[in-house]
Amino acid sequence: DAKTTQPTSMDCAEGRAANLPCNHSTISGNEYVYWYRQIHSQGPQYIIHGLKNNETNEMASLIITEDRKSSTLILPHATLRDTAVYYCIVRPRTNFGNEKLTFGTGTRLTIIP
Amino acid sequence: DVKVTQSSRYLVKRTGEKVFLECVQDMDHENMFWYRQDPGLGLRLIYFSYDVKMKEKGDIPEGYSVSREKKERFSLILESASTNQTSMYLCASSLRQELYNEQFFGPGTRLTVL
Repeated sequence: DAKTTQPTSMDCAEGRAANLPCNHSTISGNEYVYWYRQIHSQGPQYIIHGLKNNETNEMASLIITEDRKSSTLILPHATLRDTAVYYCIVRPRTNFGNEKLTFGTGTRLTIIP
Repeated sequence: DVKVTQSSRYLVKRTGEKVFLECVQDMDHENMFWYRQDPGLGLRLIYFSYDVKMKEKGDIPEGYSVSREKKERFSLILESASTNQTSMYLCASSLRQELYNEQFFGPGTRLTVL
């Protein structure tokens, strides 16, 4: 699986958009970008994933650059409950026996009141 | 609401004890996973199972075994607990499906081995 690089920590003011970058310069054509987050004392939670097009759901937007070497997760109106560690993961299309996710150390996002 | 539950939130055991961590999911998922999480190391996969009675080693299986006798239940076993197995243990499940993989996680069990 391609390696990802994320900043160790970030702050964002409450109500503003939080933009979390991820570098995955060795990504290959069949690899997806996933984002998960982990709020303190809870298990990780899936947020969004994408292949090459930008994606949006009720939680966030995912912007993937045209060369696919980096992406940005956007939380449009951050709230205090968005304080968490955010993980960017790159992995191939799922196939039998190859469903595992490899988590790095992620970005600790703190929302400031 | 989808749910993955783990038998205990906190557990304290002594070195050498046999420890069972239980995980149950109610989503009829084929795949189940056990991870451990340690500061500075992120989540690391111990074992996973893609069907009843099937198991595959993850990245750090040493010192652990697993059991999947029923689809909804996946157990992690520490045959003889050691202090270096003090950690947060997370269970997850997912559907076996094409294209992408959304894993649902339980709340975790914080195990302390004295």
